[in-house]
Amino acid sequence: QVQVVQSGAEVKKPGASVKVSCKTSGYIFTDYYIHWVRQAPGQGLEWMGWINPASDGTNSAPKFQGGVTMTRDTSISTAYMELTRLTSDDTAIYYCARAYLPEDYAGGFDIWGQGTMVTVSS
Amino acid sequence: DIRMTQSPSTLSASVGDRVTITCRASQSISSWLAWYQQKPGKAPKFLIYKASSLESGVPTRFSGSGSGTEFTLTISSLQADDFATYYCQQYKSYFPTFGQGTKVEIK
Repeated sequence: QVQVVQSGAEVKKPGASVKVSCKTSGYIFTDYYIHWVRQAPGQGLEWMGWINPASDGTNSAPKFQGGVTMTRDTSISTAYMELTRLTSDDTAIYYCARAYLPEDYAGGFDIWGQGTMVTVSS
Repeated sequence: DIRMTQSPSTLSASVGDRVTITCRASQSISSWLAWYQQKPGKAPKFLIYKASSLESGVPTRFSGSGSGTEFTLTISSLQADDFATYYCQQYKSYFPTFGQGTKVEIK
C-alpha cells in the first residue's frame, strides 16, 4: 500500500539548519509531487512548498523562499526538506504529503507522513 | 495570496446532529477546494477534493458544496469518530493556502 514515512524528531539551536526526510513506497515516486506543510503548536496548517520528483523542480511560499531547500533522491524514493537559519518561530510539526493527482502540483494532498517535530531552543 | 476564512472557529454538537462548516475565499477559486479532518496528534486526513468530490473510503455522511468564494462541508449525522478539527484548502493559486480550522467539539 502507499506509505509515506518521515524521519524522527529533531532539537536544534537557533541559527542551525534541519533536514527532514520523507520516504515513500507503494507507488511510482516520480509520478506525484511532494508537498511540505508545517503546523506550529496549537496552530493551523501552513503550506511551505512542493517538489516535482520527476524534474527536481521546486516552488515555495514567499515567506520560505531563500530559507527552505527541497530535494529528492529518486533511487530511494525519498524527498527532503531543509530549513536553514532556524528561529523559535520554526518550532513546529513538519509534514510531507503526496499530491493526489499524478504529474500535477495542484490539488489536495491525499497521503501524509506522520509528521516530524522540530524544536528550536537554545 | 488567497485568504481562506472558516466559520465558526469552534462548533459544539451532539452525536446525530447535522453539522455545517463554512469556508470563504478572498477571491474566486472556482471549485479548487479540498477539505481535511485532523485529530489530535495525527496528520490531516484528505476528505474532499474539487469542492464536492468525496475521496475514496470517506463515509458518505460527509459532503462538500460550493464554488467561487463560498463553500461548505456538511456532516449529515455526526458520529463519535467525527470530533476533530476540519480545514479547507484552496489550490487555485500557485501558493495553496489553508483556512484557520474549525474544531468540532462534543456538546
